[in-house]
Amino acid sequence: KQEVTQIPAALSVPEGENLVLNCSFTDSAIYNLQWFRQDPGKGLTSLLLIQSSQREQTSGRLNASLDKSSGRSTLYIAASQPGDSATYLCAVSRNAGNMLTFGGGTRLMVKP
Amino acid sequence: DGGITQSPKYLFRKEGQNVTLSCEQNLNHDAMYWYRQDPGQGLRLIYYSQIVNDFQKGDIAEGYSVSREKKESFPLTVTSAQKNPTAFYLCASSIGGKLTDTQYFGPGTRLTVL
Repeated sequence: KQEVTQIPAALSVPEGENLVLNCSFTDSAIYNLQWFRQDPGKGLTSLLLIQSSQREQTSGRLNASLDKSSGRSTLYIAASQPGDSATYLCAVSRNAGNMLTFGGGTRLMVKP
Repeated sequence: DGGITQSPKYLFRKEGQNVTLSCEQNLNHDAMYWYRQDPGQGLRLIYYSQIVNDFQKGDIAEGYSVSREKKESFPLTVTSAQKNPTAFYLCASSIGGKLTDTQYFGPGTRLTVL
């Protein structure tokens, strides 16, 4: 059974810092991996999707990498801003349909 | 505006009552999903539907039921058989059921059992 773990569970940094969020998964037979952002009490917004054949994806100040063989992904946020404060979730897709297995999330706070 | 709407935003229910959560999308998406999120945890899949009049159980379907009579709508009923229904419920949709199809999420419904 696929298990997805995100470390740390919570992170507080001063504005302007570069930071890395980690995601690990137990079964390397994934089809893609996604990073989502969730604001308190709200739904999820997809940030980046990495296909299993890709190593990384970039969008603005965000860069996500994928190492399937080691079962790891990282989300790099450059020059963090208070508006980046949210919970970040990673999810991997299974081999049937489009079902996702989610990690528990990292709650990020960027202090002004 | 295209998107996914969930109603109500907050819902309170007495123990032993069934309650139905609404999910509507005007994105012309074929696939729709229901997830449950507990505090500090990730999302768990309850049910999903890849096409009208068809749906499949997810990882935690016990105590829940769904219907998919229209492409735009995928209501979730939380029955009295669900032992611990208090949670945040999220609906999502995607163009199809392919692995390359990004899922788009609604704003969620917070259900509290009194």
